[in-house]
Amino acid sequence: QSVLTQPPSVSGAPGQRVTISCTGSSSNIGAGYDVHWYQQLPGTAPKLLIYGNSNRPSGVPDRFSGSKSGTSASLAISGLQAEDEADYYCQSYDSSLSGYVFGTGTKVTVL
Amino acid sequence: QVQLQESGPGLVKPSQTLSLTCTVSGGSISSGSYYWSWIRQPAGKGLEWIGRIYTSGSTNYNPSLKSRVTISVDTSKNQFSLKLSSVTAADTAVYYCARDSGEVSWFDPWGQGTLVTVSS
Repeated sequence: QSVLTQPPSVSGAPGQRVTISCTGSSSNIGAGYDVHWYQQLPGTAPKLLIYGNSNRPSGVPDRFSGSKSGTSASLAISGLQAEDEADYYCQSYDSSLSGYVFGTGTKVTVL
Repeated sequence: QVQLQESGPGLVKPSQTLSLTCTVSGGSISSGSYYWSWIRQPAGKGLEWIGRIYTSGSTNYNPSLKSRVTISVDTSKNQFSLKLSSVTAADTAVYYCARDSGEVSWFDPWGQGTLVTVSS
């Protein structure tokens, strides 16, 4: 029962910039809770990509960036590479559910 | 660095109880202000948070699963466990354990995941 909405898919040519939106509500993103992003390569576990809206863990390329505004957040991938082809999920906390929620997921395809 | 590994039966019969264990290595499960979570993902679908436990034993569960879920911790074995009762085919999924970095936080690292199929 995902309460964070993402586009099912986005695509771009190598070198291009793509963005993925994550739309929530007043009980999660709009309430001020941070948004985090994960990359899931085929057949593997999700990996933390962005935490606290815009922070990159050590080892994550600076091609990946995150932002948050109002009830939404965005993940941007610049200089798209073939290895970026994966599923991406946003995640936050929801006060009405008193628990964590994930986005619906977005498949990024490199053309 | 901390690593997590799920273990347990890959096949569970309908109406029975699913039981999984997550073993933490590379650090003590009791160190730091971390919570320890379970997350699942049905094939081809998105991620669903199941619940979490703090090393004190306090728990939080997804309201949609709360009546069927129990998460426990064994600090002496550096493990935490998941029990999901009265399972149906809808509970078939890859189950992940992950470290939850605080009160309201993110998940890192994750275990590799284990597939549990509910079928007779």
